[in-house]
Formats: sequence, C-alpha cells, structure tokens
Amino acid sequence: DVKVTQSSRYLVKRTGEKVFLECVQDMDHENMFWYRQDPGLGLRLIYFSYDVKMKEKGDIPEGYSVSREKKERFSLILESASTNQTSMYLCASSLSQGTLRGYTFGSGTRLTVV
Amino acid sequence: GQQLNQSPQSMFIQEGEDVSMNCTSSSIFNTWLWYKQDPGEGPVLLIALYKAGELTSNGRLTAQFGITRKDSFLNISASIPSDVGIYFCAGMNYGGSQGNLIFGKGTKLSVKP
Repeated sequence: DVKVTQSSRYLVKRTGEKVFLECVQDMDHENMFWYRQDPGLGLRLIYFSYDVKMKEKGDIPEGYSVSREKKERFSLILESASTNQTSMYLCASSLSQGTLRGYTFGSGTRLTVV
Repeated sequence: GQQLNQSPQSMFIQEGEDVSMNCTSSSIFNTWLWYKQDPGEGPVLLIALYKAGELTSNGRLTAQFGITRKDSFLNISASIPSDVGIYFCAGMNYGGSQGNLIFGKGTKLSVKP
C-alpha cells in the first residue's frame, strides 16, 4: 500500500515564525497536494505539484509556498505564520493526473499558531 | 474554487440505524469517490464509482453513481460506533488537465451506542 507520511502530527508555532511541513510518499507518485481542513469549510487546496520542481497554486495559496526538490517529498512553507493559519494540514499523493483511484492522504498535521 | 454540495452537513443517529448522504454538482463527472476520515486521521478511500448508474458495495456501505453523472449517494446500513467520522464525496474528470479531485465539504456522522 502507498504510504504518505507527514513528519509531525502536532505542531505549535509562534506568530511570525517560518514553518515547514514535510510530506513524503513511498510509491513513486507523480502528483502531490497540500490541503487545509477547517470545520465547516471542508478540504481546501493550497498548492499541488505534478512533477519535480513544478508547482501550481490551488484555491488558497496566499501566505504559503511549496518546494518539491525530489519526487517523493513535497514541503509546505508558511513564510510568516499567523494565527489564522491554525488548522489541520493534509498532504496527499496520486499516481498520475486523473488517476482513477483518487488520492492517498497522510494522517495530517495539526498546526497551532500562537 | 469549485465545490460539490454535500448533505447533510452532520448526522446524529442511534446505533443500528441506516444512514444516507448525497452529493450534487452543477457539472458532470466521470468518476465519483467516497472517503471516510476517522477523528485525527487523514481521509481513506471507501468506494470508487466509474460509470453512470453504477451501484457498488463495500461491506455495509453502498454507493451509487447518479444516472445524470451530476450526483452520487452513499448509504450505510446498520450503523455501528466505529462508523463515526467525516465522510467526503469527491468528483473527478480524468484525463487531460482536469484530473484534480473536487471535494464536498463532508458529512460528520455521530453514532450513539
């Protein structure tokens, strides 16, 4: 089975800090995604990537950036964390664009910005 | 961004009851997927549907791909406490540049023993 691993389950950071959320998948998937999940708002796409060094903005990219230097790793960066970025962050991967089996998700990182 | 209309937003049911939830869209999809998210975990794929009218089961779960290709339904029979979680529908048009999933906002299910 594909495994998507997010490096931290829980993080607490201070306002203004630069925050790195790491995601690694072990099945050679081309596509990787970052979502944030908030009550009542569902899953909102932040950024995605179809290939190494490639990135595309999702629906809510403001305040975030991403890095994909290797195929298996997709990092989400909060340049200057703010309290409104307190959320559950989910990483996902898929085999290829439009894969019929959807995405495989990591277990999530719950980030609190104080 | 585009989103699906998923209802109900939440459900509180007694153990043993049946559950129904649905998703509708203004556009057609080639694929419908249903995910479940356990508390504190990431979503996990439950059922995938690839053909209009298709009815697929996974244990006590049954999902249907609407004939119009604009909706999908998920039923859970004889609910048990471990059914608690958030259920997400997702639609996709595979191929070309439209391979991203579009998610509903989720149905939060609570089951009272």
